[in-house]
Amino acid sequence: EVQLVESGGGLVQPGGSLRLSCAASGFSFEDYVMKWVRQPPGKGLEWVSTINFGGDSTYYADSVKGRFTISRDNSKNTMYLQLNSLTAEDTATYYCARSTFDFWGQGTMVTVSS
Amino acid sequence: QSALTQPASVSGSPGQSITISCTGTSSDVGGYNYVSWFQQYPGKAPHLMIYEVSKRPSGVSNRFSGSKSGNTASLTISGLQAEDEADYYCSSYTIRSSYVFGTGTKVTVL
Repeated sequence: EVQLVESGGGLVQPGGSLRLSCAASGFSFEDYVMKWVRQPPGKGLEWVSTINFGGDSTYYADSVKGRFTISRDNSKNTMYLQLNSLTAEDTATYYCARSTFDFWGQGTMVTVSS
Repeated sequence: QSALTQPASVSGSPGQSITISCTGTSSDVGGYNYVSWFQQYPGKAPHLMIYEVSKRPSGVSNRFSGSKSGNTASLTISGLQAEDEADYYCSSYTIRSSYVFGTGTKVTVL
């Protein structure tokens, strides 16, 4: 059974940092492109970032470029999202998703507030 | 990248068919056959219903179908059921090697 489990969310002050993790199981992680998508409370979905199989190609939404860094460790079947210079506009539930968005995790909430 | 345009709400009676539109540009919806549709219940993660414009993942009811014409994609739900009441989002790959989601549509079963 394919499973994606996000962790690392929480309350952080403006300007702060967090690292989110997405632990994958039930499939050959290294064979799949992976993505992060976020959803602010009560609002729509926003694609955040994509990483290729080996981790050497990454893509970012303009809203997070230069502040967020996506990475993966195929030996640990885990993807990461480093969030820096956080603002209130980054408050959202962050989901990891596989490849064609065919499987999603349950999400982890990030709240940026003083 | 502006969000794809969807109607805010669509409603129908049980058994009826409804269609949700998703309008983009030639740089996204019109330029690629990588349009997907997602169903989301409150407090839950999105669930893939349609990918590559009209393909259904295993386990998705054949009451859900997708199509595209020009810069507008559509999701049709036939034989509407109470369990179809949810939010629906479209998404598309874009010319900038990114993805853009739609504004979302709340489907109400009357």
